[in-house]
Amino acid sequence: AQRVTQPEKLLSVFKGAPVELKCNYSYSGSPELFWYVQYSRQRLQLLLRHISRESIKGFTADLNKGETSFHLKKPFAQEEDSAMYYCALKYGNKLVFGAGTILRVKS
Amino acid sequence: DVKVTQSSRYLVKRTGEKVFLECVQDMDHENMFWYRQDPGLGLRLIYFSYDVKMKEKGDIPEGYSVSREKKERFSLILESASTNQTSMYLCASSRDRGSNQPQHFGDGTRLSIL
Repeated sequence: AQRVTQPEKLLSVFKGAPVELKCNYSYSGSPELFWYVQYSRQRLQLLLRHISRESIKGFTADLNKGETSFHLKKPFAQEEDSAMYYCALKYGNKLVFGAGTILRVKS
Repeated sequence: DVKVTQSSRYLVKRTGEKVFLECVQDMDHENMFWYRQDPGLGLRLIYFSYDVKMKEKGDIPEGYSVSREKKERFSLILESASTNQTSMYLCASSRDRGSNQPQHFGDGTRLSIL
C-alpha cells in the first residue's frame, strides 16, 4: 500500500541553522513526490516536486530510491520558513500525504 | 493563477443535520478532490472526481457523499453530521488524470458539529 511517513511532528531550529525535514515513502511503482507548504492563515500550496529538480525559496529535495526518501533541505533557515510542511506521493491522479511537520524557526 | 474557492471559511452545524460544502474552480480542471485535515493525521482523501458525474471513493468516504454536476463545481455532502466530522475540509483541483500536474487548494472550511 502507498504510504508517506514524516517522523517529526515538530522541528524547531534557530535562524541561520540548516534544516532537514524527513520524508519516507512506500510505493511499488515509480514514485512522483511533492512537498507542499502551509503558512499561517494561508492555503496549502505546492513548494516543489522531485521531477522538476528545482530549488524554491532555498529549499531542495532529492529523491533517493534506495532509501525510499525525499527529504527537504535548506542550508540556512529563515523566520519566514516557519510553516507546516507536507510530503506527498502521487499515484494515479491521487495524492497520499504524510502527517506533516511543523517547522519553527526561532530568532 | 488558479483559483479554488470554498463557499464558507467557518461553518457550525448540529448533529444529524445534512451539510453541504461547496467548491468551485476556475481553471477548467478535470480532477477535483475533497480532503479532511486533522492534526497528526495530515490530509486524508474523502472523495475525488475526474470528470462530470464521475466520482471515486478515497480513503475515508464513510458518512460522506459528493456531487459533480458541472465541471467547475464539486460538492461534499455530510448526510447526517456527527461530532467526529468536526474538522478542516480542503478542496483541491488539478489537470487531467495521468499528468504530472500539482493539486491547487482552496482556503478550507472549518466545520464544527455540535
